Amino acid sequence: GQNIDQPTEMTATEGAIVQINCTYQTSGFNGLFWYQQHAGEAPTFLSYNVLDGLEEKGRFSSFLSRSKGYSYLLLKELQMKDSASYLCAVRGYSTLTFGKGTMLLVSP
Amino acid sequence: EAGVTQSPTHLIKTRGQQATLRCSPISGHTSVYWYQQALGLGLQFLLWYDEGEERNRGNFPPRFSGRQFPNYSSELNVNALELEDSALYLCASGRRGLSSGANVLTFGAGSRLTVL
Repeated sequence: GQNIDQPTEMTATEGAIVQINCTYQTSGFNGLFWYQQHAGEAPTFLSYNVLDGLEEKGRFSSFLSRSKGYSYLLLKELQMKDSASYLCAVRGYSTLTFGKGTMLLVSP
Repeated sequence: EAGVTQSPTHLIKTRGQQATLRCSPISGHTSVYWYQQALGLGLQFLLWYDEGEERNRGNFPPRFSGRQFPNYSSELNVNALELEDSALYLCASGRRGLSSGANVLTFGAGSRLTVL
């Protein structure tokens, strides 16, 4: 089975940097995904890591350490529209298992 | 390109009734995944269909079932509804071979089921 942990809530200020952590234990690992979900909307894909290291995509970066079962999503130059739930998901052999999500609130 | 479409957007049922939810995948996607998103529980994997076959199911009772049609659209059926089935049901589609490469699942906006 798979177990994925991430903080329930985080708050940050507009323009700041925030790091959302995700730890996982899995019986099979085939990649880690981050999705963003605004209230009442579909989750949308943000990033994918399968090898150790940092993947950068504009204001968003994602890091993976497979030996530690650890990932983080880094959001820079926060904007109000970044207020959303951020979902960490681990792909096993045939499914994508999600954590409960981290609700990020960005304040002015 | 049209995204993943789900219907109905909202559905209200009473305990013991049956609910049917529908999903149309992105053109070219053959895999459809169903997830339940209940308050405070995150996305829970329900079912995976590919090429018309059920490939995997999550830890849900048999009253949750579904099927995939030849055009790759899918239907989720929930029988004997219980209050705790109230949730957002999300459908996602992807290309065949989830385990290869950055095969990204694209989600629909979901169907909100309320059981009274």
